[in-house]
Amino acid sequence: QVQLQESGPGLVKPSGTLSLTCAVSGDSIRSGYWWTWVRQSPEKGLEWIGEIFQSGSANYGPSLRSRTTISIDMSKNHLSLTLTSMTVADTAVYFCARVKGGGLGGMDVWGRGTTVIVSS
Amino acid sequence: DIQMTQSPSSLSASVGDTVTLTCRASQFISKFVCWYKQRPGEAPELLIYATSILESGVPSRFSGSGAGTDFALTISSLQPEDFATYYCQQSYSPPYTFGQGAKVEIK
Repeated sequence: QVQLQESGPGLVKPSGTLSLTCAVSGDSIRSGYWWTWVRQSPEKGLEWIGEIFQSGSANYGPSLRSRTTISIDMSKNHLSLTLTSMTVADTAVYFCARVKGGGLGGMDVWGRGTTVIVSS
Repeated sequence: DIQMTQSPSSLSASVGDTVTLTCRASQFISKFVCWYKQRPGEAPELLIYATSILESGVPSRFSGSGAGTDFALTISSLQPEDFATYYCQQSYSPPYTFGQGAKVEIK
C-alpha cells in the first residue's frame, strides 16, 4: 500500500523559506508517476503548486513559479518543496500526492497534509 | 489559467436522495476532469478521473459525465458517509486548477 507523509516546520517567519519533504513508502518514486504538491487554505481553497517526474522535469503554477522549487531524491525516495519569500498568504495545509495515468489519471494517493503557519 | 466553477456551492439533502453537482470550465478541456471528496480534517480522495472513470474502490453510486466545458458528478442514493465537500479539477493544462467546492449537507 502506497503511503505519503509530509514533514516540515509548522511555523515560518514572514520573508522566510519553507522547506517540506514528502516521504514515499510502498512504491518507488521512479515508478513512472508524476508527484505533486497542493495546498489548501480557507481563502484560496485547493491550489495546485506544481509537479515533478522522476527525470526531474517539473511544472509549476504561474502564481508561485518564481518562488517555488520542487525536487526529487531517488536515494531517499522522497520529494521536496521549497517556497521562498513566505507571507501570511502562504499559510495553508500542504499536501503531496501521486498523479496516476498521466494527465487523465488524477491524484490517487495523498499524504495527510501538514499545516504551515506564517507568523512572526 | 483555466477557471473551474462549481454549482451549487452547497446543498442540503437526505439519505437516499440523488444529487448532481456541476462544474464548468472557462475553456475547452476535453475529458480532463477529476472529482474528489473531502471530509473535514482529511485529505481529498479521488472519486472519478477522465470525466467518468470510477477510481478503484469507489462505490458505483458515484458517476461522472460531460465533455468539453460542462461536467457533472451524480451521487445516487446518498449514504451518511457521502456528506462532505466535493471538488472538480481540470488536468488538461497546468496549472491544474480546482473548483471552489460543493458542500453536501444533511437536511
